[in-house]
Amino acid sequence: RKEVEQDPGPFNVPEGATVAFNCTYSNSASQSFFWYRQDCRKEPKLLMSVYSSGNEDGRFTAQLNRASQYISLLIRDSKLSDSATYLCVVNPSTYNFNKFYFGSGTKLNVKP
Amino acid sequence: DGGITQSPKYLFRKEGQNVTLSCEQNLNHDAMYWYRQDPGQGLRLIYYSQIVNDFQKGDIAEGYSVSREKKESFPLTVTSAQKNPTAFYLCASTRGDTNTGELFFGEGSRLTVL
Repeated sequence: RKEVEQDPGPFNVPEGATVAFNCTYSNSASQSFFWYRQDCRKEPKLLMSVYSSGNEDGRFTAQLNRASQYISLLIRDSKLSDSATYLCVVNPSTYNFNKFYFGSGTKLNVKP
Repeated sequence: DGGITQSPKYLFRKEGQNVTLSCEQNLNHDAMYWYRQDPGQGLRLIYYSQIVNDFQKGDIAEGYSVSREKKESFPLTVTSAQKNPTAFYLCASTRGDTNTGELFFGEGSRLTVL
């Protein structure tokens, strides 16, 4: 079983739509969770960290559900510029700060 | 500006040749990483280093080698023993003392084996 799993998509949505992605992780002891954004043929960039209490940054909201072992990303009022692949990243350990596991990514296409 | 510089951006090599990818950072980060990305797959960890003169194998280290002689530099050699070397290679770094998740990436090196 993979450490981190995501629906590859693509999610095709019109501008202004609300879209949500989920990501499941296998290690129940995982401590840290993140969403990264990757544009086509570019490097990933941190979008937001995911905290236990949930967190929001403008149109983006991230949630953590420890009981079901998934994290989610909600994008409201989608823009054309939101088109990208969204990577879920999990750090499973408090003892090794430097081990990160990446999902394969969910592709989002926002259409005019 | 601080950041990570990878070179070359594109590289072609013949089968049986070793090739070295450069990664330099001026962020004063302790930890550095090499990831490989294939189409439709997530990033997979090749090697990582938490401190100078020390490095550990990741999940797919076979056919690769690294060195960490300086804090700023973490070059990756793709050897002829790597069976499927064509991929997008990403170098990254973090401060290394907390799991903040802020992995800073270079722009990547795209290797094609002819």
